[in-house]
Amino acid sequence: AQSVAQPEDQVNVAEGNPLTVKCTYSVSGNPYLFWYVQYPNRGLQFLLKYITGDNLVKGSYGFEAEFNKSQTSFHLKKPSALVSDSALYFCAVRAVNQAGTALIFGKGTTLSVSS
Amino acid sequence: NAGVTQTPKFQVLKTGQSMTLQCAQDMNHEYMSWYRQDPGMGLRLIHYSVGAGITDQGEVPNGYNVSRSTTEDFPLRLLSAAPSQTSVYFCASSRSGRNTEAFFGQGTRLTVV
Repeated sequence: AQSVAQPEDQVNVAEGNPLTVKCTYSVSGNPYLFWYVQYPNRGLQFLLKYITGDNLVKGSYGFEAEFNKSQTSFHLKKPSALVSDSALYFCAVRAVNQAGTALIFGKGTTLSVSS
Repeated sequence: NAGVTQTPKFQVLKTGQSMTLQCAQDMNHEYMSWYRQDPGMGLRLIHYSVGAGITDQGEVPNGYNVSRSTTEDFPLRLLSAAPSQTSVYFCASSRSGRNTEAFFGQGTRLTVV
């Protein structure tokens, strides 16, 4: 069965410092991995995805993610955090089911960036 | 460019009442899905569809029905509301294929009393 784990409920970082939000996955076959961000009382916004190729994926708002096949991880990173990055972050994997369509989400990590 | 539109944004139901959450997308996406979001639980898949006339169950389908008569619309029906269905509901759509990202609506906050 496909699954995604986000081991940290909350990550706290000071503005200007690098940030990492962790994600590990379990999937049969090649993984298709995604990161989304949710601001309060809003829907989810797509940040970036890994399909194949370069293990470092760049996305919106200066975020990037590093795919590591041997560690089955897909950690979200940003070199210099902003207060406005404070939000709820979700890692997701495309399921391989009968229809091969649904996104399976982790439980989410709250990122808090202090000024 | 409307994207994915959900209505209503807020709803309060009494236990036992039924209602339909509406979802419409204008991107001609084949795939559509419904999720519920609960604190500490992330997003859990309720039902999904790969095209008009085709639906299937997700992780937590009990108490919910869906249909997909057109590409654009994917309504979620609560047959007999229960307090356990108090949640925020999100509809999502995407193009076909495993490498495509999903687009989400703004959500419906449902309270069942």
